[in-house]
Amino acid sequence: QSALTQPASVSGSPGQSITISCTGTSSDVGGYKYVSWYQQHPDKAPKLMIYEVSYRSSGVPDRFSGSKSGNTASLTISGLQAEDEADYYCSSHTSSNTRVFGTGTKVTVL
Amino acid sequence: EVQLVESGGGLVQPGGSLRLSCVASGFTFSSYWMSWVRQAPGKGLEWVANIKEDGSEKYYVDSVKGRFTISRDNAKNSLYLQMNGLRAEDTAVYFCVRRGTNFDYWGQGTLVTVSS
Repeated sequence: QSALTQPASVSGSPGQSITISCTGTSSDVGGYKYVSWYQQHPDKAPKLMIYEVSYRSSGVPDRFSGSKSGNTASLTISGLQAEDEADYYCSSHTSSNTRVFGTGTKVTVL
Repeated sequence: EVQLVESGGGLVQPGGSLRLSCVASGFTFSSYWMSWVRQAPGKGLEWVANIKEDGSEKYYVDSVKGRFTISRDNAKNSLYLQMNGLRAEDTAVYFCVRRGTNFDYWGQGTLVTVSS
C-alpha cells in the first residue's frame, strides 16, 4: 500500500495552466476508474474536486479538469487563480479493495 | 445540509486505547459507505478504513490491521473507530468521511495524540 507519487510542489502565475501528476501502478490508478482529487487549504478539511478520473464535483469551477493515461492520473488547473493556492491530493481504489492517497502537491500562485 | 461531527480525540499513552465517534446528519446514513482518513501533523492524507452500508464489509490500511476496528450504528447515524495498541505514529487528525471511494463530505476532524 505505497502512496501514489505526486510532485511536491507546482507553481504558476495567475491565468496560467498547471498540471499535477499522480503516478501509481496497474493495481491502483491504472486498473480502475476510481481516481479522485482533493483540495486542502491550511487547517481545513479536504474538498472533493474531481471523481472517477474526470468528473467535477458539484460547484467546482470548470477550470479544474482530470484525466488518466496508463498508471498516471493528472489534474489540470486552467486560468490559475489566487484562491487555487492549496495542497492537492489524488486518491485511488486498489486491487486489495483498499484506498490509497498520493503524497500531495503544494500549488503556489506566484 | 450534510454534516459529519467527530469526537473522542485526545491525549493517550502509547499502548492505550481510544474510541472515535462521528455523528452524521443531512443524508440517509444507512445508504452510504463511510470511511476514516487521517493526517499526521504537517503530513499528507492517509486512508485508514472503510465500512459498507450495512457493516458487512470492512477494509483497513495494513498499518492498523488488528489494532483498529471500524463500526457503525445506522439507528444512531453514527460511525466509530475503536483504536487499540496506539503508537506514536498514530498521532494525527482523524476525519470522518462519507463514501468509500469518492470522499465527498468530510468532518472537521478530531486530533489524536499518542505520547507519554
